[in-house]
Amino acid sequence: AQSVAQPEDQVNVAEGNPLTVKCTYSVSGNPYLFWYVQYPNRGLQFLLKYITGDNLVKGSYGFEAEFNKSQTSFHLKKPSALVSDSALYFCAVSNAGNNRKLIWGLGTSLAVNP
Amino acid sequence: GAGVSQTPSNKVTEKGKYVELRCDPISGHTALYWYRQSLGQGPEFLIYFQGTGAADDSGLPNDRFFAVRPEGSVSTLKIQRTERGDSAVYLCASSSIAGGGVQYFGAGTRLSVL
Repeated sequence: AQSVAQPEDQVNVAEGNPLTVKCTYSVSGNPYLFWYVQYPNRGLQFLLKYITGDNLVKGSYGFEAEFNKSQTSFHLKKPSALVSDSALYFCAVSNAGNNRKLIWGLGTSLAVNP
Repeated sequence: GAGVSQTPSNKVTEKGKYVELRCDPISGHTALYWYRQSLGQGPEFLIYFQGTGAADDSGLPNDRFFAVRPEGSVSTLKIQRTERGDSAVYLCASSSIAGGGVQYFGAGTRLSVL
């Protein structure tokens, strides 16, 4: 069965410091991996994805994520956090097949302090 | 429209009533998904349409839940005999074949069953 784990409920970081939001996954076959961000009272917004190719993928708003097959991880990173990055972040995985339903983690609340 | 549109944005109903939630996907997107998100949780897959047909309805919790997409565009999620446990935010997403699996989400319908 597919699953996603986001081990941290909350991450706190000072503005200007690098941030990491962790994600590990379990899926049969090749994974499609995604990060989404959710601001209060707004829909989920796509940040970035990994399907194949380079293990380091770059996405919106300066975010990037590194796919690590041996550790089955897909951690979200940003070199320099902004206060406006404070939001709820979700990692999701789908099996690389015709059925593209997404399986989601529980989310990590990121707080960037000025 | 430019994005996925969901109506109503909020729905309050009484236990035992019937409700319909509407999703208008991005024009040209052939795939449409319904998810449910409870407070403090990640989205939970309900059903996935490819065109007019339900390609995967394995996430529907019971036979009180039903969804249609008769013309391959707008979809309606129908819930009969609502229960308090059905209270959640119902999310709709759509994707295109060329989109690399990226699902674009609407703002959701917040359903409250009193």
